Amino acid sequence: ELKVEQNPLFLSMQEGKNYTIYCNYSTTSDRLYWYRQDPGKSLESLFVLLSNGAVKQEGRLMASLDTKARLSTLHITAAVHDLSATYFCAVEPGSARQLTFGSGTQLTVLP
Amino acid sequence: GAGVSQSPSNKVTEKGKDVELRCDPISGHTALYWYRQSLGQGLEFLIYFQGNSAPDKSGLPSDRFSAERTGGSVSTLTIQRTQQEDSAVYLCASSPHNEQFFGPGTRLTVL
Repeated sequence: ELKVEQNPLFLSMQEGKNYTIYCNYSTTSDRLYWYRQDPGKSLESLFVLLSNGAVKQEGRLMASLDTKARLSTLHITAAVHDLSATYFCAVEPGSARQLTFGSGTQLTVLP
Repeated sequence: GAGVSQSPSNKVTEKGKDVELRCDPISGHTALYWYRQSLGQGLEFLIYFQGNSAPDKSGLPSDRFSAERTGGSVSTLTIQRTQQEDSAVYLCASSPHNEQFFGPGTRLTVL
């Protein structure tokens, strides 16, 4: 059974600081996705990572995938309040198309 | 363009009643997924439709849950004899190939 673990689960950070969210998964996969969810809203797609070594950047967020280590990271640079949300990683196992989600990281950026 | 739409946005029902939740995927997307999100269980896969193939029902939690997709487009998730533990947000997603695009969800409350 595929397990996806995110850490930390809760993160409070000051504006302007950098931090990294980690996503570990338990079985072979080269397809990993990051989503953002605002309170009461649905999931917004942030990044699609489809191969080992993939790196994607959008604004202050950068995501990477290491399939050998079964690890993805979401790096936040110079955080701003607008980044406050819950971030989910999701893995698509090789044998199936449905996503297995991590528990989410609730990020709060403090002024 | 139009995204994934779901109806109703909120549904309150009494224990033991049947409910139907509807999903309109993005036009042209061949894959459609149902997930549910609850405080205790996080985001869980329920069922997956791909074109005209038999659906992957491996995530349905009990035989009270069923879903169909008519004409390769609209999908309906039916929950029979609802229980309080069915209370959750039910999310639908559609996909053209890799990335899944999520709808706003239906919040189901079973009293």
